[in-house]
Amino acid sequence: KAGVTQTPRYLIKTRGQQVTLSCSPISGHRSVSWYQQTPGQGLQFLFEYFSETQRNKGNFPGRFSGRQFSNSRSEMNVSTLELGDSALYLCASKRVINSPLHFGNGTRLTVT
Amino acid sequence: EDKVVQSPLSLVVHEGDTVTLNCSYEVTNFRSLLWYKQEKKAPTFLFMLTSSGIEKKSGRLSSILDKKELSSILNITATQTGDSAIYLCAVEAGNSGYALNFGKGTSLLVTP
Repeated sequence: KAGVTQTPRYLIKTRGQQVTLSCSPISGHRSVSWYQQTPGQGLQFLFEYFSETQRNKGNFPGRFSGRQFSNSRSEMNVSTLELGDSALYLCASKRVINSPLHFGNGTRLTVT
Repeated sequence: EDKVVQSPLSLVVHEGDTVTLNCSYEVTNFRSLLWYKQEKKAPTFLFMLTSSGIEKKSGRLSSILDKKELSSILNITATQTGDSAIYLCAVEAGNSGYALNFGKGTSLLVTP
């Protein structure tokens, strides 16, 4: 069974630009979550989607947004990039509520 | 505010040693505690502990949840160099929707 797939693996952007990251969950998983990982803050929750609806959102500015499609694939968008947005962005999916999250390999975003 | 604290932050041991990693939490409406291993990119799932499943074991790894002490331990016996990684503890709580609140992790290095 294929795991969570994230594209692209690496991105380099300039301050002020915007970026879109993509995530394909494990087949049959309808819940998709996004996390930001930095050396200083560790793993922090961005948002979670289920059946195309955002169920929960973390404490991030409105520049961070996401969506989920009918096939459960998800995208997250960051607009007006700042240097502090440089991080590893991890997507994760789960099958049902009381089951563990399974993570993808992440997208490494560098903002210069 | 929910809090998850892991200790120690880093650890260096020799192959064959036994290690114990700690995770304590302060959350409202605890649901589950999860352990992950992160080597290069994707955190990989190890254990999920809930009120109905407070002890888990897989090979040389085992974990126990102490709901009274609001803590969990992850034990690794007969460590191998392949166990070198960052071990992450995460807690799912009722007031966080379905988000995981992660600790900062314990960096384990197993030397030959």
